[in-house]
Amino acid sequence: AQSVSQHNHHVILSEAASLELGCNYSYGGTVNLFWYVQYPGQHLQLLLKYFSGDPLVKGIKGFEAEFIKSKFSFNLRKPSVQWSDTAEYFCAVIPTASGTYKYIFGTGTRLKVLA
Amino acid sequence: EAGVTQFPSHSVIEKGQTVTLRCDPISGHDNLYWYRRVMGKEIKFLLHFVKESKQDESGMPNNRFLAERTGGTYSTLKVQPAELEDSGVYFCASSQGQGGHEQYFGPGTRLTVT
Repeated sequence: AQSVSQHNHHVILSEAASLELGCNYSYGGTVNLFWYVQYPGQHLQLLLKYFSGDPLVKGIKGFEAEFIKSKFSFNLRKPSVQWSDTAEYFCAVIPTASGTYKYIFGTGTRLKVLA
Repeated sequence: EAGVTQFPSHSVIEKGQTVTLRCDPISGHDNLYWYRRVMGKEIKFLLHFVKESKQDESGMPNNRFLAERTGGTYSTLKVQPAELEDSGVYFCASSQGQGGHEQYFGPGTRLTVT
């Protein structure tokens, strides 16, 4: 079955530390890839997306992600986190050749940034 | 532009009762999706409407769940009768175009079945 793995369930960092959240998916075909964020009390918001082209994608708020096809990975990075980045982060995949457009989500990673 | 809205934000019901959740997508978005997150687990797909038609309902847990989208605008998700395992947060999302595009999420409805 198609699945998405986010290996880090809880991450605690100090402000200014660098962040990398892992995301791996199990699907051999073409995929659309997304990272969403849910700040406390808010709805899910899109951070960035990858459909094709340059595998290094830049999103909002200084986030970026790199698609590595050979590793089936789409890791999220930020060079220097802020307290306001405290949130839950979700990786999502659409296997585009499957004929369906549903998101397959990872379990999410809760990030806490200490001031 | 108004975002995706969901009503109610919270619902607490007893096992065996009926609950109806509502989702209003972004105006003009033909695609409407329902997802559910059970505590501690991943967000899971329930179904996908294109306008008023069910495109994919492979994620619906069982026949206690009924989704409708009359007129291709807002959608309702009814759970009847509710069971304890139905507790969770129900998200609605919408997107434009042919699908595969980014989805815009509502705030979710937190359902607690006691």
